[in-house]
Amino acid sequence: DQQVKQNSPSLSVQEGRISILNCDYTNSMFDYFLWYKKYPAEGPTFLISISSIKDKNEDGRFTVFLNKSAKHLSLHIVPSQPGDSAVYFCAASRTSGGSYIPTFGRGTSLIVHP
Amino acid sequence: EPEVTQTPSHQVTQMGQEVILRCVPISNHLYFYWYRQILGQKVEFLVSFYNNEISEKSEIFDDQFSVERPDGSNFTLKIRSTKLEDSAMYFCASTLSLGEQYFGPGTRLTVT
Repeated sequence: DQQVKQNSPSLSVQEGRISILNCDYTNSMFDYFLWYKKYPAEGPTFLISISSIKDKNEDGRFTVFLNKSAKHLSLHIVPSQPGDSAVYFCAASRTSGGSYIPTFGRGTSLIVHP
Repeated sequence: EPEVTQTPSHQVTQMGQEVILRCVPISNHLYFYWYRQILGQKVEFLVSFYNNEISEKSEIFDDQFSVERPDGSNFTLKIRSTKLEDSAMYFCASTLSLGEQYFGPGTRLTVT
């Protein structure tokens, strides 16, 4: 049951370039989406979120784009820095009923080379 | 900056034994969660807790699991009789209002 899919297990990018991490979902009831970053031996850290009423949300170097018709979201990191090297998890939730319980993807390991 | 803490960082136990994983959520948070991540797999929701009761649980959270908030600060996950397949990272999370959650560093549970 993969309601949230991150089809690229890893991504390698040069420092200063753009990193684009992709995520697809199947459940049309999802209406709140999040990205978490995880370093080894640490728990996931919230990065950025977007509600389904928007198609873009920006926070500094991080921008999340949502394409509801395609059930696709992406995280853009510009410019990428070596400290961004981590596993990035996409998560989606359904807020109706006040749940907000996220369903996570398997993660994409981002490596940013100096 | 306040953070969620979890103890122990690593727990090794024998199959059939009971384990208690402990979490101290951020002090003014109201919603509490447990997740697990089996090695190489995705983070999976186990249970959420609000107002001193379970608000949601997944099918993973069967009768072998229980949660408690015994005082104003701790939030525990108990596994009554551990199985090999319970080996995983267990993450506690908390939040003040529904939305992004703050995760602890995790407890690695190894069942032998």
